[in-house]
Amino acid sequence: EPEVTQTPSHQVTQMGQEVILRCVPISNHLYFYWYRQILGQKVEFLVSFYNNEISEKSEIFDDQFSVERPDGSNFTLKIRSTKLEDSAMYFCASSRVVTNEKLFFGSGTQLSVL
Amino acid sequence: KNEVEQSPQNLTAQEGEFITINCSYSVGISALHWLQQHPGGGIVSLFMLSSGKKKHGRLIATINIQEKHSSLHITASHPRDSAVYICAVRGGNEKLTFGTGTRLTIIP
Repeated sequence: EPEVTQTPSHQVTQMGQEVILRCVPISNHLYFYWYRQILGQKVEFLVSFYNNEISEKSEIFDDQFSVERPDGSNFTLKIRSTKLEDSAMYFCASSRVVTNEKLFFGSGTQLSVL
Repeated sequence: KNEVEQSPQNLTAQEGEFITINCSYSVGISALHWLQQHPGGGIVSLFMLSSGKKKHGRLIATINIQEKHSSLHITASHPRDSAVYICAVRGGNEKLTFGTGTRLTIIP
């Protein structure tokens, strides 16, 4: 079965540093998402991306965050200046359409900000 | 804003038991997802429902749109079913709102 691939699986960074989390969605999927899960808390929606632009974003997704699809396969989440509270598991997901279809999740990137 | 509540928060059962996990939400939705999160953290999508009932192997998911309620059932439970089960709902947009999850432990 096709998979969503995320790299790296773990990322440790210093507060104030920029990080880029990478995702390769399933090749014929058109909708891409980032979610995060702070340890012990529920999963939260960050952003959805379709047709090379952000289609929806949450209150969490402020100016420190950006997403990009730099080529035909990668989908990245950049955090410009990391804060301690950005420490979380970040999940990428994709779907072929937005309605009536399951989401496919990557295995996540555990980000630790020190 | 949609509030998603799951019950129970934790459930421990013996192998072979029939399991039911419940999800209620406060505002009308266009779709509801049941997800399984493994101890390593990975998330797998089990079902996407907008009405009625779906079955896959030993898993059954139902939704009652009028009552704003969904259930996930596991028949003949097995220790490998031990995981966190998460309900997530989508309204008229692409944003998913997640429940806090139900931690299921199946004892051999």
